[in-house]
Amino acid sequence: AQTIHQWPVAEIKAVGSPLSLGCTIKGKSSPNLYWYWQATGGTLQQLFYSITVGQVESVVQLNLSASRPKDDQFILSTEKLLLSHSGFYLCAWSRQVSNERLFFGHGTKLSVL
Amino acid sequence: QQNVQQSPESLIVPEGARTSLNCTFSDSASQYFWWYRQHSGKAPKALMSIFSNGEKEEGRFTIHLNKASLHFSLHIRDSQPSDSALYLCAGNSGGSNAKLTFGKGTKLSVKS
Repeated sequence: AQTIHQWPVAEIKAVGSPLSLGCTIKGKSSPNLYWYWQATGGTLQQLFYSITVGQVESVVQLNLSASRPKDDQFILSTEKLLLSHSGFYLCAWSRQVSNERLFFGHGTKLSVL
Repeated sequence: QQNVQQSPESLIVPEGARTSLNCTFSDSASQYFWWYRQHSGKAPKALMSIFSNGEKEEGRFTIHLNKASLHFSLHIRDSQPSDSALYLCAGNSGGSNAKLTFGKGTKLSVKS
C-alpha cells in the first residue's frame, strides 16, 4: 500500500526566516507529485507539480520554490517567509495516467508571525 | 485559466435530508471533474469523479455533469451527521492532466 508522509506537522516561523517542508511517498514508483496551499477559509490552490525527478512546474507565484531531488521526495521552500505564507500546505500524489485522483498527505500548518 | 465557483458557501440540513451542492467551471476544454471531501483539520479525500456528460451514482452520492452549461453537481441522499465537512469540486485546466483547479468549497453541516 502507498503511504504519504509530510513533515513537519506544524511550524511557527518569523517573517523573513527560511522554510523547508517535505513530503515522501512510499510504495509507488514515478508518481506525479503536487504541492497545494490552503489559506484559512480560502481555496485549495495548486502551487507546483512534478511528473519526474528534477522537473518541477510552477502554477502560481508565491515567492516559494519546489524541488524533487528523488523519485519519492518533494520539497517546498523559501529563503524569506512573508505573513501571507501562513496556511495549510498539502502534498499530494497521483498515478501517472489521465484523470487520476489525488492522494493528500496530512498537511503542514504554517503560522508566520 | 480555469475558474471554479461553488454554491452555496455553506449549508445546514437535518439528518435524512437530500442535499445538493453546485459547481460551475469556466474552461470548456476541461475533461474531468472531481468532488473531494475535507473534514475539519484533515486532508481532502477524493469522493467521486466523472468524465463525460451524465450522471453517476455511488451509494448515497450522485454526481451530475453538464458540460454545455459548465455545471457540475453533487447530491447526497439521506444525509448523515458524518457527512458534515467541506466539499470541494475540482476540474482540470489548460488541457493538462496535472493542473487541477479547486473551488472554494461548500461547508455542509448535517444536524441530528
